[in-house]
Parts: sequence; structure tokens; C-alpha cells
Amino acid sequence: KAGVTQTPRYLIKTRGQQVTLSCSPISGHRSVSWYQQTPGQGLQFLFEYFSETQRNKGNFPGRFSGRQFSNSRSEMNVSTLELGDSALYLCASSLEVDQPQHFGDGTRLSIL
Amino acid sequence: AQSVTQLDSQVPVFEEAPVELRCNYSSSVSVYLFWYVQYPNQGLQLLLKYLSGSTLVKGINGFEAEFNKSQTSFHLRKPSVHISDTAEYFCAVKGGSYIPTFGRGTSLIVHP
Repeated sequence: KAGVTQTPRYLIKTRGQQVTLSCSPISGHRSVSWYQQTPGQGLQFLFEYFSETQRNKGNFPGRFSGRQFSNSRSEMNVSTLELGDSALYLCASSLEVDQPQHFGDGTRLSIL
Repeated sequence: AQSVTQLDSQVPVFEEAPVELRCNYSSSVSVYLFWYVQYPNQGLQLLLKYLSGSTLVKGINGFEAEFNKSQTSFHLRKPSVHISDTAEYFCAVKGGSYIPTFGRGTSLIVHP
């Protein structure tokens, strides 16, 4: 069974641009969550989607948004990029909410 | 609200020695508890989980953890570590409608 797939693995952007990251969950998993990981703040929850509905949202500005499609694939978008958005963005999927999550290898976003 | 405290940011240990990584949590509701491991340039991999039932939980790679409700702890143990166990370890808690909360991580460094 294929794991969680995140694309792209690496991305370089400049301040002010926008970016879209993609996540394909494990087949059959309906819950997808996104996290931001930085050395300073650790692992911080961005949002969780279940059956195309946002179920939970972390404490991030409105520049961070996401969505989930009917096939459970998910995308997150960050607009007006700032230097502080440089981070590893991790996607995790689970069969149902509150079940153990399976993580992808992440997208490393660097802002110049 | 809920929080997770990993008491040690770094734990150095010699190969074949036992190790304990400490995790304390706080929450106003019943919780699920998890330990994850992260190797360099990879996502998080689930080591073990406590959802209910027996308080001693066995996971992959010879790790185990004990849920102690009175002390609000969920310490991770391994009787004999290997060089390959060198990685970052994260404790996480999820309860009720709260968003998943991760500790800041403990870097396990196994010396030959």
C-alpha cells in the first residue's frame, strides 16, 4: 500500500509569492491534516480535513488555507509569502479522525 | 486546552544501554497519546499509541510506553538501543475536539 505522498519535495519561492502544496493520502484514508515544522516553533498544527470539510484549524493567519477533494487528496495554499514561512510542511492522513496519523516526507519550502 | 512537555531536548546514550524518553501532558478531557519518530529529511513515523485498555503499550522497533493517568505521563522506553535508533522523538496528545498537540521533541543520540 502506498504511503502518504507529498509534492513537491522541495520548493524555493520569494517573498510576496504564493505557493500550493499537494498531498495524496493513503488509499481509504478520509482524514488529512497539515503541520508546519520549524526549528524554533517545533511541529504546529495547521488544519484538518475530513470528507472535504475543514474540521479543525490551528492558530495561523488567513494567508494559510487548504482544501480537500472528493478523492481525499488535499492541497494547502500560502499567499503573500514571508521569510518566516520557510519550513517543512507535513501532511498526515488517517482512516478516521482521532485515529493514528501516517505522515508524508514533507515539502521543504524555502523563502528567499 | 491541552499541552505536551518533553522534559529532555537531548538524550545521549551508549549502544545497548536502556533509554527512557519522558513525556508529560495536561488536558481537561480524556486523551489519546502517541509517540512518533522522525529520521533526517523524513516525515514522522508512528512508534506506538495509547487509545484505551492496557496502560503498557508495545510498539515497533522494541519500544514500549506506559500511560500513567495519575502522573499524566507517557514515557517511552527501550531496554537496549542501537545506533539506528538515533533520531528525533515526538510525543503527541489528542483529546476531544482539541487539535493534535506535539511536544518539542527529544533528540536521541546513540553512541557506539
